[in-house]
Amino acid sequence: NAGVTQTPKFQVLKTGQSMTLQCAQDMNHNSMYWYRQDPGMGLRLIYYSASEGTTDKGEVPNGYNVSRLNKREFSLRLESAAPSQTSVYFCASSRNPQGGTDTQYFGPGTRLTVL
Amino acid sequence: QQQVKQSPQSLIVQKGGISIINCAYENTAFDYFPWYQQFPGKGPALLIAIRPDVSEKKEGRFTISFNKSAKQFSLHIMDSQPGDSATYFCAASTKAAGNKLTFGGGTRVLVKP
Repeated sequence: NAGVTQTPKFQVLKTGQSMTLQCAQDMNHNSMYWYRQDPGMGLRLIYYSASEGTTDKGEVPNGYNVSRLNKREFSLRLESAAPSQTSVYFCASSRNPQGGTDTQYFGPGTRLTVL
Repeated sequence: QQQVKQSPQSLIVQKGGISIINCAYENTAFDYFPWYQQFPGKGPALLIAIRPDVSEKKEGRFTISFNKSAKQFSLHIMDSQPGDSATYFCAASTKAAGNKLTFGGGTRVLVKP
């Protein structure tokens, strides 16, 4: 099993450009998440999808959109990139957010720089 | 506003020493407190977790201590090894909010040989 995979690993954008970060999991998990990681800020939730067909905003959703394409895939789109979106982006998945404790499994991350 | 505050931001410990990382939270509805470990260039991975109905949980050299009345919890790494050098994140979640994790700011631990 590959677990959670993310593409690309690195990306440099110019201000105003758009791009989509891809995430896929092969663990048959119901829930998927997008986080950004900035120094001293920990990981902050951008968007999440509790189950296929649903998406909800997290703590820092402005400037982003998401698509839960199917149970395996959850993409994050930056429509008009800004330097403030320079960060490391992590996708995660978990089995079931509704019952009991729930472990989130993280991908390797995408390092994005916006010039 | 950060609902989970973590300290220190970094610490250096000698091999064989004890590393202690502290976290404080505000939301009394939190009912699950995991710690994640992250190596450079990798995503975080679950290390150990605790629920508020116990005051301590130990797994190998890693121990979580939990103080519900003080709304604080801490990670102790006993007999620290160079391979423990990583960034550690505390987190908290509540079932009522769909088990979404709120993370602390992270602590970079360096274990010197």
